Amino acid sequence: QKEVEQNSGPLSVPEGAIASLNCTYSDRGSQSFFWYRQYSGKSPELIMFIYSNGDKEDGRFTAQLNKASQYVSLLIRDSQPSDSATYLCAVNVYNNNDMRFGAGTRLTVKP
Amino acid sequence: DTGVSQDPRHKITKRGQNVTFRCDPISEHNRLYWYRQTLGQGPEFLTYFQNEAQLEKSRLLSDRFSAERPKGSFSTLEIQRTEQGDSAMYLCASSLDRQAGQPQHFGDGTRLSIL
Repeated sequence: QKEVEQNSGPLSVPEGAIASLNCTYSDRGSQSFFWYRQYSGKSPELIMFIYSNGDKEDGRFTAQLNKASQYVSLLIRDSQPSDSATYLCAVNVYNNNDMRFGAGTRLTVKP
Repeated sequence: DTGVSQDPRHKITKRGQNVTFRCDPISEHNRLYWYRQTLGQGPEFLTYFQNEAQLEKSRLLSDRFSAERPKGSFSTLEIQRTEQGDSAMYLCASSLDRQAGQPQHFGDGTRLSIL
């Protein structure tokens, strides 16, 4: 089992819809959770981070964390074509210094 | 805040040559990380510095790889006797030093191609 798992996609949604991206992790000691967006040929760009169970909202983005189910998700409301990218889930275990990344989910928002 | 800067952006070299990459982190960040990313995969951790001290190295980091951060500011990653399997994007990231788990901010990466 991989440490951080994501559906590779591609996930395709129409413009204006809600895109839902999911991630599961294996280490119950995980404490910090991050979502990065990566455009083709570019480096990862931090979108959201969440440390506590529940929801965290920032503009059109909502991160949801459920530590009991070892599950973290990212919702993108009112999806735009410019949101088309690969979304990487990353997890940090407490007192570890590296982040473990999933392979990413490719999202396409169709006009 | 100019962000994390990496140089060069692209490097093409022949197998067996040595290459060196440079990373300048965000100025107030004293944690610095190196990752490697291949197509279709997420970044894989290579090594980490806190100030000038290299505190952790991944098993992925063979003895052909060496990283330094001599004055706790910029860092270099050197690959000796490059192999075709070294072809990848090499990413540098930095973060604040309050505790592990702070968000890491990435540079634009150095894309290495081995001929």
